[in-house]
Amino acid sequence: KNQVEQSPQSLIILEGKNCTLQCNYTVSPFSNLRWYKQDTGRGPVSLTIMTFSENTKSNGRYTATLDADTKQSSLHITASQLSDSASYICVVHQAGTALIFGKGTTLSVSS
Amino acid sequence: DGGITQSPKYLFRKEGQNVTLSCEQNLNHDAMYWYRQDPGQGLRLIYYSQIVNDFQKGDIAEGYSVSREKKESFPLTVTSAQKNPTAFYLCASSIPGQGLEQYFGPGTRLTVT
Repeated sequence: KNQVEQSPQSLIILEGKNCTLQCNYTVSPFSNLRWYKQDTGRGPVSLTIMTFSENTKSNGRYTATLDADTKQSSLHITASQLSDSASYICVVHQAGTALIFGKGTTLSVSS
Repeated sequence: DGGITQSPKYLFRKEGQNVTLSCEQNLNHDAMYWYRQDPGQGLRLIYYSQIVNDFQKGDIAEGYSVSREKKESFPLTVTSAQKNPTAFYLCASSIPGQGLEQYFGPGTRLTVT
């Protein structure tokens, strides 16, 4: 079954700290993997998109990694800010067909 | 200012009433999508359209209907046949072929009582 599993489900960190969110997938055939940030009550906004051949991609303080062999991805947030509080969604594109969405990790950054 | 707009942001209806959610985009994208988001669940695809006057059912199309008469517009009607219509609804658009990025609207929260 094609699935995208994210962990942890929720996370609380102090402002200024780093954190890493995980995404494991069983989607095949694989086309690409995306990370989205979704603020409460808003639409998701793209952070990164990675294809099979890309191992790392950065967008400011956000760095995504992809290991296509183990079918794992991570999103690392450096020097967290209050504005990073949001839900982070991992999405895998099954080649030729659908986007498979994870349930998201809810991050809360406190001062 | 290019983007996707959804209106209204909040919508309240009585059970048994049909309701139409608006989605407009000026990105010149051919493909448009409707998703439903429930707490603790991933986004689920309701309907999508790759081109004007054509649309396809997604994973959870029952109780919903759409039209695509214009490239810019993709309204979603939640009918009284939808058993659990209360949810957050997201519209997205992209260049055809889901390998490319989807751009999401701000969403409409529908509450049916």
